[in-house]
Amino acid sequence: QQPVQSPQAVILREGEDAVINCSSSKALYSVHWYRQKHGEAPVFLMILLKGGEQKGHDKISASFNEKKQQSSLYLTASQLSYSGTYFCGTEIDKTSYDKVIFGPGTSLSVIP
Amino acid sequence: KAGVTQTPRYLIKTRGQQVTLSCSPISGHRSVSWYQQTPGQGLQFLFEYFSETQRNKGNFPGRFSGRQFSNSRSEMNVSTLELGDSALYLCASSTGQGRGETQYFGPGTRLLVL
Repeated sequence: QQPVQSPQAVILREGEDAVINCSSSKALYSVHWYRQKHGEAPVFLMILLKGGEQKGHDKISASFNEKKQQSSLYLTASQLSYSGTYFCGTEIDKTSYDKVIFGPGTSLSVIP
Repeated sequence: KAGVTQTPRYLIKTRGQQVTLSCSPISGHRSVSWYQQTPGQGLQFLFEYFSETQRNKGNFPGRFSGRQFSNSRSEMNVSTLELGDSALYLCASSTGQGRGETQYFGPGTRLLVL
């Protein structure tokens, strides 16, 4: 049930763009995106709900393709502060509340 | 509002011992989820408590248990510790009222088993 994330790791130069993908084998109700810096707790970035719109703030946005059970996180004009591990969390589409299961993470390093 | 707090932040135990970790959620949040984070496995879901009841459970052995108190604070217990239990244990809180909610993570407890 754990979602699959790709790529596992990516290295960018400042100003470059990146896309991180998250996919599930099950129908999803929501996809959550978090960023975790080394030694810190994961920090919420955004959540996408079934039937909802693409979200974004500043230079980070995400999309959710319900039919393909996939979500993508877009980071444009990357900054050094974007470095960290990005996790997607998925919630299965059930009638009742379900747990959020996280993917293995994508390590992103932004270098000058 | 104060964030999610976890105590202790660091812990060293030996094999065979047991350990209890504590998590205080954001005020007003009634759901607490626990995750184990290791370098190779990412964030693995342990269990979730809502209104003092375990609502969801992951695939961990019975040595891992938890409970939640009436003030929503939660504890996690690991008995008969093994070397493989060394990890960062994170708890996350939410209101728990519905689907698609944001979870707020605490700083974690880093457990080292020797």
